[in-house]
Amino acid sequence: GQSLEQPSEVTAVEGAIVQINCTYQTSGFYGLSWYQQHDGGAPTFLSYNALDGLEETGRFSSFLSRSDSYGYLLLQELQMKDSASYFCAVKARMDSSYKLIFGSGTRLLVRP
Amino acid sequence: KAGVTQTPRYLIKTRGQQVTLSCSPISGHRSVSWYQQTPGQGLQFLFEYFSETQRNKGNFPGRFSGRQFSNSRSEMNVSTLELGDSALYLCASSGGGSGSTDTQYFGPGTRLTVL
Repeated sequence: GQSLEQPSEVTAVEGAIVQINCTYQTSGFYGLSWYQQHDGGAPTFLSYNALDGLEETGRFSSFLSRSDSYGYLLLQELQMKDSASYFCAVKARMDSSYKLIFGSGTRLLVRP
Repeated sequence: KAGVTQTPRYLIKTRGQQVTLSCSPISGHRSVSWYQQTPGQGLQFLFEYFSETQRNKGNFPGRFSGRQFSNSRSEMNVSTLELGDSALYLCASSGGGSGSTDTQYFGPGTRLTVL
């Protein structure tokens, strides 16, 4: 079967660094995406990793280790507006098509 | 470029009724995917349409169905509503080059409440 694990909640202080982990079990793995969703809002794309290593986009970085079936999202210089839910999503090839499977999300609370 | 739009934004129905939700993708996007979001369950994939054909399907009962029109607009239908169908239904569009797993651009969702 397919499964993704990520912490349900993380709390951090403004200005700090926080890491949100995601472990997955899936066949036909292709890549790992991250999405951000504010309360009442739509999920928005943050990053995608197909290869091992770190991808950096401003204050956000995403890491993937295919051999460990593990990835993380790193948020630096946390701001209050970063308080949101963060979802990892696995791109996997199943049958003759690709699917995007989302984790249940990590709620990040940034405190002043 | 206008984003993904969904109508209606809120809907209240009673058990046994049916409902149709609508999604207009970003102009030029040919792939439309539908997700159900409930607290603590993340986003559950319902199905994906590309060029008017269902290309992918999640593990939902046959009460959930959809279609896509020639202008890429999509509708989702749920028949014989159950209380457990109360959720936020999200539509996402993408270019469709490699299926629903291109970057997904989500609409604001339709909040369905079943009484």
